[in-house]
Amino acid sequence: DSGVTQTPKHLITATGQRVTLRCSPRSGDLSVYWYQQSLDQGLQFLIQYYNGEERAKGNILERFSAQQFPDLHSELNLSSLELGDSALYFCASSVVGDLSGNTIYFGEGSWLTVV
Amino acid sequence: GNSVTQMEGPVTLSEEAFLTINCTYTATGYPSLFWYVQYPGEGLQLLLKATKADDKGSNKGFEATYRKETTSFHLEKGSVQVSDSAVYFCALSVQTGGFKTIFGAGTRLFVKA
Repeated sequence: DSGVTQTPKHLITATGQRVTLRCSPRSGDLSVYWYQQSLDQGLQFLIQYYNGEERAKGNILERFSAQQFPDLHSELNLSSLELGDSALYFCASSVVGDLSGNTIYFGEGSWLTVV
Repeated sequence: GNSVTQMEGPVTLSEEAFLTINCTYTATGYPSLFWYVQYPGEGLQLLLKATKADDKGSNKGFEATYRKETTSFHLEKGSVQVSDSAVYFCALSVQTGGFKTIFGAGTRLFVKA
């Protein structure tokens, strides 16, 4: 158990819909990261937040957005869903965001299936 | 730019065989290097890391040495077990435009009894 909690574990929704994935980081971790894992794209970095502020952005689509709240939990919002958005979405956390050697801890992921 | 390239899988080995999974990287600055492992149905977890050139990371019988001259961080294990069957991800982290960890595509390992 990494200490990172993600909900829901599985989600099936229709094209055009909007979903919210939720993440609670490890106790004491200030940084939260979101990754998308799909068969054809591998593991893609989406976005990072550090203590409530956006810190780094990766391959995140404009239809997707995220935020980190004062209690440090984070939500990833996916809208106007397409079939190609079906993937495993991971949240990860780390103590700090600016040390290149620091380890990030992953949750078990949220499986999103768009039908 | 920053990127990680690792050997394509799947890799299939018999129990007690020697394992090498190649990983090379390109990076601006001085990255830290990691190997993460993903067991079936689970999230990724850190296997080992090295934060500077010539450092060797090791854990659970796995080893990898940070080779700056060849920009490589190959994962090795002398004798694999069935329980090592998983997907292995090489990764680097850099602080450019914010702190980022960039993963390779992953290499699936199957170990047969």
